[in-house]
Amino acid sequence: DSGVTQTPKHLITATGQRVTLRCSPRSGDLSVYWYQQSLDQGLQFLIQYYNGEERAKGNILERFSAQQFPDLHSELNLSSLELGDSALYFCASSVATTGGNSPLHFGNGTRLTVT
Amino acid sequence: SQQGEEDPQALSIQEGENATMNCSYKTSINNLQWYRQNSGRGLVHLILIRSNEREKHSGRLRVTLDTSKKSSSLLITASRAADTASYFCATIQGAQKLVFGQGTRLTINP
Repeated sequence: DSGVTQTPKHLITATGQRVTLRCSPRSGDLSVYWYQQSLDQGLQFLIQYYNGEERAKGNILERFSAQQFPDLHSELNLSSLELGDSALYFCASSVATTGGNSPLHFGNGTRLTVT
Repeated sequence: SQQGEEDPQALSIQEGENATMNCSYKTSINNLQWYRQNSGRGLVHLILIRSNEREKHSGRLRVTLDTSKKSSSLLITASRAADTASYFCATIQGAQKLVFGQGTRLTINP
């Protein structure tokens, strides 16, 4: 058990809809990362927060947004959903401010299916 | 493009044999990490090797790093069925973005 909790585990929704994915980091970790994993694109870095502030941004679409709250949990909001947004969305956490300097601890992901 | 690229994309061996996976990267690094992912699950951290280290061990895992060739390898000795998984290397790209390669899918046959 990594200590990172993601909810929901599965989400099925229609095109054009909006969903919110939630992540609770491991106790003591201040950094939260979001990744998207699909069969054709592999594991894509979306965004990182450290103690409530955005630290690094990857290939995150404008339709997507995220934030980290004072209690350190994070939410990833996906809007105007398209079929191509169907993927596994992972949250990870770490103690470090920078992604490469300490291990990331991953949740088990949210599987999003857009129909 | 990905910073780290694993090779081979897929590897199938018999239980008890050794498995070697390689990772090449493009820019200078401070460290490199290896992760394992069982099907549909979250990634699990295996080893972090720093740029001033050449080799690191953890149980049946051995990781080497050659910064002159910008490459790393992960060796799993005496493989077991439970080692069946995808293995990824990860490095920092640009400003603090930890990016993963496409992974090597390892299958251990009983």
